[in-house]
Amino acid sequence: KQEVTQIPAALSVPEGENLVLNCSFTDSAIYNLQWFRQDPGKGLTSLLLIQSSQREQTSGRLNASLDKSSGRSTLYIAASQPGDSATYLCAVRPVDSNYQLIWGAGTKLIIKP
Amino acid sequence: GAGVSQSPSNKVTEKGKDVELRCDPISGHTALYWYRQRLGQGLEFLIYFQGNSAPDKSGLPSDRFSAERTGESVSTLTIQRTQQEDSAVYLCASSPGLHSDTQYFGPGTRLTVL
Repeated sequence: KQEVTQIPAALSVPEGENLVLNCSFTDSAIYNLQWFRQDPGKGLTSLLLIQSSQREQTSGRLNASLDKSSGRSTLYIAASQPGDSATYLCAVRPVDSNYQLIWGAGTKLIIKP
Repeated sequence: GAGVSQSPSNKVTEKGKDVELRCDPISGHTALYWYRQRLGQGLEFLIYFQGNSAPDKSGLPSDRFSAERTGESVSTLTIQRTQQEDSAVYLCASSPGLHSDTQYFGPGTRLTVL
């Protein structure tokens, strides 16, 4: 059974720092992995999607990497800003599922001005 | 264009009462998903619709939970005889098709059962 773990559960850093969020999964048979941002009362927004054949994806100050064989992904945020404060969730789509995503519990990130 | 909307945004109910949660997906999206998120936990898949059909209901926690979708549009999630453990945020998402990589999420309904 696929399980997704995110460590740490919470992280607080000063503005301007670069930081890394971690996501690990137990079964490497995945179709893709996504990173989402969750803001209170606003639902989830997809940030980056990495297909199983890819190693990384970049969008602005965000870079996500995927090491499928070791069951790990990282989300790198450069030059953090207070507006980056949110909960970040990763989710994997198993190869034997057309629609289901398996989710981590998220990392709550606070960027201090 | 309009995104996914959900109503109510907050619902407080007494144990044993029935509640109905509503989801309006993005127009034209054929796939619709319901998730439950308990405090401090990840999303738990409940059910999905392809059109008006729900091929997989195995994620529903108990027979107190049911969902329907009409006109390939609005969906309602009904919880009968609510229990305190039903307290959670219920999220709805839609996508253009079942195999689409991206799901678009609504803001959720926070359900509190007293």
